[in-house]
Amino acid sequence: GENVEQHPSTLSVQEGDSAVIKCTYSDSASNYFPWYKQELGKRPQLIIDIRSNVGEKKDQRIAVTLNKTAKHFSLHITETQPEDSAVYFCAATHFGDSNYQLIWGAGTKLIIKP
Amino acid sequence: DGGITQSPKYLFRKEGQNVTLSCEQNLNHDAMYWYRQDPGQGLRLIYYSQIVNDFQKGDIAEGYSVSREKKESFPLTVTSAQKNPTAFYLCASSSQLNEKLFFGSGTQLSVL
Repeated sequence: GENVEQHPSTLSVQEGDSAVIKCTYSDSASNYFPWYKQELGKRPQLIIDIRSNVGEKKDQRIAVTLNKTAKHFSLHITETQPEDSAVYFCAATHFGDSNYQLIWGAGTKLIIKP
Repeated sequence: DGGITQSPKYLFRKEGQNVTLSCEQNLNHDAMYWYRQDPGQGLRLIYYSQIVNDFQKGDIAEGYSVSREKKESFPLTVTSAQKNPTAFYLCASSSQLNEKLFFGSGTQLSVL
């Protein structure tokens, strides 16, 4: 079936450095790609999303880039801060035989070292 | 509590028992979802509903059932047919299907 692969599973960076998380999707018809952040013990929250007709989107310290040809998209966090520590999930839309859903990556645990 | 409420926070199921997880939203969202979250895995879709009295199966619907009698409510029943029910269950809602999901705080289901 369709899947989304997310790497790395764990990422440790020094406070102030940049972090990059990459996802690869298999369905060439995918057209919407959100990123969610889940802090420990809390619910996932949308932090940024991008549509297939756009190559890059930025919101302050976070950005997402999309390469449709290679079928991958990445989350970039600059000037990392302690509050960026969380698990980040990517997802991509998929039209199945009888449904339309998001397929999720397995998550990346981001650790910000002081 | 963010407009979408799940209850209970913790739930225990005995063998052969059906249990129902509650999900209520006051965001006036048309779409609602149930996901299962297991350690080290992404979210997996159980069921979703785009409109009242209509719902579709996700990838792991076997052993689960849902209803959508009201726009605000989308309860999930974990039946005795679900042999490995221990997991964290997340409910979500959105205005547009699959976009900008708002999640509940989750229910941890364990088997006694």
